[in-house]
Amino acid sequence: ETGVTQTPRHLVMGMTNKKSLKCEQHLGHNAMYWYKQSAKKPLELMFVYSLEERVENNSVPSRFSPECPNSSHLFLHLHTLQPEDSALYLCASSQDRALRTDTQYFGPGTRLTVL
Amino acid sequence: AQTVTQSQPEMSVQEAETVTLSCTYDTSESDYYLFWYKQPPSRQMILVIRQEAYKQQNATENRFSVNFQKAAKSFSLKISDSQLGDAAMYFCAYRSADNNDMRFGAGTRLTVKP
Repeated sequence: ETGVTQTPRHLVMGMTNKKSLKCEQHLGHNAMYWYKQSAKKPLELMFVYSLEERVENNSVPSRFSPECPNSSHLFLHLHTLQPEDSALYLCASSQDRALRTDTQYFGPGTRLTVL
Repeated sequence: AQTVTQSQPEMSVQEAETVTLSCTYDTSESDYYLFWYKQPPSRQMILVIRQEAYKQQNATENRFSVNFQKAAKSFSLKISDSQLGDAAMYFCAYRSADNNDMRFGAGTRLTVKP
């Protein structure tokens, strides 16, 4: 399944670095999501975009900054991260949040390690 | 807030046998959707099966089927004729019909023994 792609797949960064995660969906979907997956914890929803507008921000620290330039692309800009931010970051997309049957499809994730 | 509980951190099954993964959820809503996702070592989260709460018939997708008990708020996944490629983390998820915000369980790691 290559409908949702993420780059890079692995990223190691220092606490003072600035980096960005990229997500691209080829499914013609209108909504995109960022999730954080930490070891032995349920997936945590970070950001939701619908038609390129942010519709939800689940109290995520400002060191994470999302950007959605169009409905196919989603970025997560990272700066001055902490070691506890090390996790798998998953991107997902769905056709339309207003649809009752809407289903999210996930990318392969970016494994982030903060030193 | 809705919560999803997967009480089995790990499960194992012999190849070709059947295994059932448990999931319970807590909600006051009557209209919602339930999902099982599979996450193999590649980490790609793959949709396995979906159940609509207003449908009494249990969803089936090839070797995968669910036992949806709405009154008990239970949504178990049965994998028949288990294959080595079924080895993965399995996540149960809940979504309200009113919005698209998903609630995930902590996952069950399934091992398939040859």
